[in-house]
Amino acid sequence: EAQVTQNPRYLITVTGKKLTVTCSQNMNHEYMSWYRQDPGLGLRQIYYSMNVEVTDKGDVPEGYKVSRKEKRNFPLILESPSPNQTSLYFCASSFSSGTAAEQYFGPGTRLTVT
Amino acid sequence: EDKVVQSPLSLVVHEGDTVTLNCSYEVTNFRSLLWYKQEKKAPTFLFMLTSSGIEKKSGRLSSILDKKELFSILNITATQTGDSAVYLCATPGTSYGKLTFGQGTILTVHP
Repeated sequence: EAQVTQNPRYLITVTGKKLTVTCSQNMNHEYMSWYRQDPGLGLRQIYYSMNVEVTDKGDVPEGYKVSRKEKRNFPLILESPSPNQTSLYFCASSFSSGTAAEQYFGPGTRLTVT
Repeated sequence: EDKVVQSPLSLVVHEGDTVTLNCSYEVTNFRSLLWYKQEKKAPTFLFMLTSSGIEKKSGRLSSILDKKELFSILNITATQTGDSAVYLCATPGTSYGKLTFGQGTILTVHP
């Protein structure tokens, strides 16, 4: 089944404790992206990747890191999480990077930082 | 800075009503506008509108793009309770790969 998977789905952590949210897709998509969703703000793009070893900042990259060593994986790293990073996170992928059309979204990771 | 604004932010209707959701955008180099539906989970793709495809229709849902006035509308006719969701519009930004979303419209359809 074609899908985007994220792990963990739920995470409660404390300020400053490094964490990684994994994202994997099995559709051989070139383009992958991370978003955070907060009430009243819609989806905001954190980082995106046009292909392996190519990543770039979205609108809210501060406090996050990403890497794209393999085509299928695009982990999101929070080196020192803070409470303002409490949010719902989505990973997405698409075949075409030019228009970012028809992105397939993962199920989401709900992160709480205390 | 790319900008996408949706209105209304929330809408409550009864089954059978017709609704119109609005999305206005400001981007330096317009390429496309996308609509997504989000129920209690991840967004799912509805439509993509471009300069060469300014009208799309799928069942009770339809969307048009007005490139002159810089907005798009999503129409849902004969609404059903299953249409209750957050509807998001988005547009790729000036940089390839960037995607800017609006705040979303929360649609609630009562039986």
